Amino acid sequence: DQQVKQNSPSLSVQEGRISILNCDYTNSMFDYFLWYKKYPAEGPTFLISISSIKDKNEDGRFTVFLNKSAKHLSLHIVPSQPGDSAVYFCAAPGPGDDKIIFGKGTRLHILP
Amino acid sequence: DTGVSQDPRHKITKRGQNVTFRCDPISEHNRLYWYRQTLGQGPEFLTYFQNEAQLEKSRLLSDRFSAERPKGSFSTLEIQRTEQGDSAMYLCASSPPGQGAHIGYEKLFFGSGTQLSVL
Repeated sequence: DQQVKQNSPSLSVQEGRISILNCDYTNSMFDYFLWYKKYPAEGPTFLISISSIKDKNEDGRFTVFLNKSAKHLSLHIVPSQPGDSAVYFCAAPGPGDDKIIFGKGTRLHILP
Repeated sequence: DTGVSQDPRHKITKRGQNVTFRCDPISEHNRLYWYRQTLGQGPEFLTYFQNEAQLEKSRLLSDRFSAERPKGSFSTLEIQRTEQGDSAMYLCASSPPGQGAHIGYEKLFFGSGTQLSVL
């Protein structure tokens, strides 16, 4: 049962353009969401988060949008840079849990 | 290097053998997590410790798996009688005591993982 879903396994974007990565969730009890970035042969690293009391959080080139009614969030990267090529995981702490539930990830390719 | 350290980075073993992985968390991080990641999947929770206490175990963690954190510092994950389905990246992560649960998640630091291949 995938509670956090990333339906696009991969995405290719031209350098300088906007990258939009999408994530859907099924558990309405989730109240916090995170995005992690992972390079090959490294562990995931925290990128940005958003609380359910907000609908947007911005940090430099990265912005996360949350649409609670649609149970959908998205990560926008603008402008996209070659170093952004990585796998991006959407994640949420399980309600009442101390563990994080991850989506399957989206591999982002930034094209020169 | 003050990050999370995992050893070994790679392990190739034959089916039926036992393997043990080690994780050294960031010092003073009281929480330590083990995750498993297979190809095309996100990390899946296995178990977690707060100090030396193992507080939760996933149903993914069969009887062949055991994890310890004897002194609340480093942790080991042992897999007995390995099977080909155990082939995966085993990730360790640690986080400090948080003023709030969500603050801890933002400070969840992962190691580079141990890639296990069972032949």
